[in-house]
This record gives sequence, structure tokens and C-alpha cells, in this order.
Amino acid sequence: EVQLMESGGGLVQPGGSLRLSCAASGFTFSNYEMHWVRQATGKGLEWVSGIGTAGDTYYLGSVKGRFTISRENAKNSLYLLMNSLRAGDTALYYCARAPDSSTAIDFWGQGTLVTVSS
Amino acid sequence: SNVLTQPPSVSVAPGKTARITCGGYNIGIKSVHWYQQKPGQAPVLVIYYDTDRPSGIPERFSGSNSGNTATLTISRVEAGDEADYYCQVWDSSTDPLVFGGGTKLTVL
Repeated sequence: EVQLMESGGGLVQPGGSLRLSCAASGFTFSNYEMHWVRQATGKGLEWVSGIGTAGDTYYLGSVKGRFTISRENAKNSLYLLMNSLRAGDTALYYCARAPDSSTAIDFWGQGTLVTVSS
Repeated sequence: SNVLTQPPSVSVAPGKTARITCGGYNIGIKSVHWYQQKPGQAPVLVIYYDTDRPSGIPERFSGSNSGNTATLTISRVEAGDEADYYCQVWDSSTDPLVFGGGTKLTVL
């Protein structure tokens, strides 16, 4: 059974940092592109960052330079290091997988909540 | 940036057909994917590559894409179809992965 389990969310002050993790199981992690997608309460889906099977990385313009995506295939894990957090980064962050570039996201985790507030 | 425009809401009576559109410049030359999201749940893929259905998705769900509009069609709508629906494309020229704003489907 495919599973994606996010962790690491919480309450952080503006300007602070958090590191999100996503533990994958039930599939060959190294064969998939992985993504972070966020959703503010009551709002739509917003793609944040992605990492390819070769380690190539992609970022939403507003997080470039502040967020860093990485993966550790030996541990079947995906990470998102978030620095200089802003109130606008407050959202539920989903870990998601895609078989390849241009394909659909075919499985999503349940999300971890990040709240940026003083 | 690549903007995908969806109507905020669509309402339909049970048993009727719902059509949810996703507008974008030349979207017909891109592959469009559709997701269903019910309250408190993660999104679920319902249509990929414009017209294909993942296993487990009812045949009542179908898609089309041409010109500047992609469409998700849900036939014989059921109460359980009530959800938010999002279209999505890949666009290497901007943010690689782009979602539409979402459409809330209400079953009357």
C-alpha cells in the first residue's frame, strides 16, 4: 500500500524556520518525482516545490531562495527546509508523488500544518 | 505566468450532467489533469492526460481539452460527487506545476 506521511509542521514566528519531512512507503521512491503542494485554509491548491529523480529541483517564485527541497532515497524520505517564513506561508503542506515530469500527481499524503504567527 | 481559470462554483441536480471548465491560453496543446478534493481530505486524481481515468474512478468522469478550454464532465451526478475540483498543467516556461483556482461542485 502506497503511503506518504508528512511531519514537522507547527507554529513558528515570522522569520523563523521549519523542516518538513515526508516518509514514503509501498513504492520505489527513487523512481518518482516528488512535490510539496500547500493549501491555505479555505483556499485552493498551490504547488510549492518539486524534485526530480536525478535531484533536479524546482520552486514557486515566491519561495525561491527561502525554501530548499531535498530527498534521501536510501531513507525513502523527502524534505522541505523552510527559512524566513512569512504569514503567507501558513498552510497545510502536502507531500505528493508523480511518476515523471508532465504526468499527473497520482498520490498525495494527508498533509502537515504550518502556522506562521507571532 | 500560466493562469488557469475555473468557475468558482457549479451546481447540478442529481442524475444530471456537470461540466467544469478550465480556461487557459492554448491549453489544448498541454496535458490537463483533474483532481477531486472532498472536505478534510487530500486531493484524488480523477482524470489525467486530458481524458484518461485512473483505476477505481467511475466511467461517469470524463475529460476533454481543445483550444483554450479543458472540461471535466461528470455524468449522472451523485451526492457523493460533491467536492472541489482542480485542473492542473505542467508549464516549463513558468512555475512548472500550475493549478486552477478550483471549482466547488454542489449537488442540489
